[in-house]
Amino acid sequence: QAVVTEEPSLTVSPGGTVTLTCGSSTGAVTSGHYPYWLQQKPGQAPRTLIYNTNNKHSWTPARFSGSVLGDKAALTLSGAQPEDEAEYYCLLWHSGGRPVFGGGTKLTVL
Amino acid sequence: EVQLVESGGGLVQPGGSLRLSCAASGLTFSSDMLSWVRQAPGKGLEWLSQISSSSSTMYFEDSVKGRFTISRDNAKNSLYLQMNSLRAEDTAVYYCVRGGWGQVVDYWGQGTLVTVSS
Repeated sequence: QAVVTEEPSLTVSPGGTVTLTCGSSTGAVTSGHYPYWLQQKPGQAPRTLIYNTNNKHSWTPARFSGSVLGDKAALTLSGAQPEDEAEYYCLLWHSGGRPVFGGGTKLTVL
Repeated sequence: EVQLVESGGGLVQPGGSLRLSCAASGLTFSSDMLSWVRQAPGKGLEWLSQISSSSSTMYFEDSVKGRFTISRDNAKNSLYLQMNSLRAEDTAVYYCVRGGWGQVVDYWGQGTLVTVSS
């Protein structure tokens, strides 16, 4: 089974920019993996921020954006706010529509 | 407003069974793919199962294949997860999710906690 990897933790200053990445043990991540990014705050259910690489839901703050950078999917947060402190999960769809989550990135805004 | 409300969680002994339900409102339930995702305490997310709108296509993660069954009742706007032969490692919060392979994943329920322990 594919393993999806994310940075375990990252720190960003308020107002700063940070990029989270998502790789796959099967090789380069492409738009064909339909990358998702989810945000989860303590005690809350996950919330989907980005789908299909770079598409946002109506509730997704404009400061979040998704892309593929090199061989990984990426989530960029520009202008970090204290409320962005959370766990972020990447989700990739592998061959045959098999969904695999990354282990999550704990983002600290400090 | 879309709402997904899970129920049916609780404490169950190893080897036991439990049936989770998810009541949906505010969406065109009969047209939607639905899924179950779980999260063990302090751990990450795990996609368990998904079911197409007509129940013709289903997916199960290897860890639950043969033990869990997914079903839906479009007349009642409800999704179910029948869990048999439960193990300690099945202890988790179980989330109902709209979407899956072929349909955008958007709404999540608040989850229901399943604890497998003697």
